[in-house]
Formats: sequence, C-alpha cells, structure tokens
Amino acid sequence: AQSVTQPDIHITVSEGASLELRCNYSYGATPYLFWYVQSPGQGLQLLLKYFSGDTLVQGIKGFEAEFKRSQSSFNLRKPSVHWSDAAEYFCAVGPSGGGNKLTFGTGTQLKVEL
Amino acid sequence: ETGVTQTPRHLVMGMTNKKSLKCEQHLGHNAMYWYKQSAKKPLELMFVYSLEERVENNSVPSRFSPECPNSSHLFLHLHTLQPEDSALYLCASSQRLAGGAVGSYNEQFFGPGTRLTVL
Repeated sequence: AQSVTQPDIHITVSEGASLELRCNYSYGATPYLFWYVQSPGQGLQLLLKYFSGDTLVQGIKGFEAEFKRSQSSFNLRKPSVHWSDAAEYFCAVGPSGGGNKLTFGTGTQLKVEL
Repeated sequence: ETGVTQTPRHLVMGMTNKKSLKCEQHLGHNAMYWYKQSAKKPLELMFVYSLEERVENNSVPSRFSPECPNSSHLFLHLHTLQPEDSALYLCASSQRLAGGAVGSYNEQFFGPGTRLTVL
C-alpha cells in the first residue's frame, strides 16, 4: 500500500528566508506526487505535481519540488518565504497507473515570522 | 458562486441528530469526492462519485450516507454520529476519473469544508 510521511509537523521560518518541507513516500513504482496548500478556512489548493520527466517541477506561488527516486522523497522548496505563505502543506501520492485516488500525508504547518 | 462551495461551514450536532452536508461545484466537473480531515491524521477519502455513480466507498460506517443527485451536487447525510466523527469534511470535484496513460490525472478542486462537532 502506498503511504506518505511528512516528518515535520510544524516549521517556523522568518519572512525572506528559504523554505524546505520534507516529504517521503512509499510506493512500489514511481507514483504521481503532489503538494497541496491549505490556508485557514480554505480548502486544499494544488501547488504542483510530478508525473514523469524533469525531476524538478515548478508550481504556483514561486514553489518548486524535486523528485529524488533514490531517497523516495519529494521535498517542497521556496527561495524566499512571504508572510502570506503561512498555511498547512500536504504532500500526496497517487498511483502511477492513473486515477484520482490520492493518499495524503499528515501535513506540515508553516508559520512565518515577520 | 465559483469553484466548490460547501454548506454549512460549521455544524454542531448531538449524537441523536440527523443532519446533511451539502457540496456544490460550479466547474462543470463530473466526479465528486468526500474527504474527512481530522487533527494530526492524513486526509481520508470517504466516497467518490463519477457520473453520479458511487465508485468508491472506503469502509465508511453506515452512519454516513452519501447522495449525488446530479453532477453538480453532493450530499453527506449524517445520523447517530459519534464524538470521534468530529472533523473537517471536505468536498472536492474533478473531471471524470481517468486511468492508464502517464499523465492521466484530473486535478481535484476542493471546497472550504464543513467543520463538524459532535457532542
């Protein structure tokens, strides 16, 4: 069965600092990988996704993520965090055969200090 | 209205009550989903409807009863809930499920959720 681990429950960074949120997955083949963001009182919004090809994917709001097969990781990065990035971030994995059944991690709560 | 809307946004109910959650999507999609989001737990997929037909039911207790009368509306009927059912219930929609070829994933768009408290 596929699973997703986000080892950091909470992360605090200063505005303007760089950010890296960790995500590790367990899956028999190369899965589809996703990062979602959830702002307070909002639903989840897709930041970026990886299916195949270039292992560095660009997303919205200046985020990027790198797929590393050897480490079973798909970490989310942003070079300079803005206060509006404070939210909860979810990594998810979907089956590489396609379909929309996603498995989510427990999320990482990001706090941005001004 | 745009996107995916959910009503009510907050609901408090007793264990013997019957209530319903409503989801409406304005995106022209034909697949809809119910998720449960509990604190410190991964998002759990509860039900999936594709073309108004239930295609997924992830061992959800019968006290949760979904209904999809058309491709734009999805309901979750609740009765005799337990306190552990307190959670944020999220609705999502997408184009119909796809499978097979690489890249055959249809993005899910989420509503803001209904915060449910069971007393």
